[in-house]
Amino acid sequence: DTAVSQTPKYLVTQMGNDKSIKCEQNLGHDTMYWYKQDSKKFLKIMFSYNNKELIINETVPNRFSPKSPDKAHLNLHINSLELGDSAVYFCASSRRGSSGGYGYTFGSGTRLTVV
Amino acid sequence: QQPVQSPQAVILREGEDAVINCSSSKALYSVHWYRQKHGEAPVFLMILLKGGEQKGHDKISASFNEKKQQSSLYLTASQLSYSGTYFCGTEARGTGNQFYFGTGTSLTVIP
Repeated sequence: DTAVSQTPKYLVTQMGNDKSIKCEQNLGHDTMYWYKQDSKKFLKIMFSYNNKELIINETVPNRFSPKSPDKAHLNLHINSLELGDSAVYFCASSRRGSSGGYGYTFGSGTRLTVV
Repeated sequence: QQPVQSPQAVILREGEDAVINCSSSKALYSVHWYRQKHGEAPVFLMILLKGGEQKGHDKISASFNEKKQQSSLYLTASQLSYSGTYFCGTEARGTGNQFYFGTGTSLTVIP
């Protein structure tokens, strides 16, 4: 039983296309996140949702739009893909604010390659 | 706001010890530690919530010095399975507990 599952695992697409990445967690966590990991391995927060409500929206191009239909799902839609969007995107979940002493559980990642 | 980790990279022989440091420019509420093996997702190791707290399991432990805004991860008697990139993550006080991952430390254990 996968705790945080992301699909697809690999995504190769041409510049200018629109694509979506899906994420689902079955841990009962109320906060979900999208992180981008670049080639230097920096993990950068993009978005955070708590109970379907957007609580963090870092400086991310508005071509990226998260959608949370319920607290177990957080999808990421990317419009007009650019070469610089190539990276690994991780979904993660946690209990609220992780202040209860719980860490983040990550999905297996989506390796996006824009050609 | 991103915490800085040192060293950036370290190579150890099996059985050797290592210390990875994580420093923040802001007062901290909590510190997390994660390990990411090549091609895999980061995996949560532990969280420290109180200044002076020390935690550990097996031969991996961590400490949190709230006054110095620092945390250290200690790996003793390293095993090949310890190889990977280690990240700290910090929640800074007064920022709505915004969470940032550190710059990462690549650790390679060789036979």
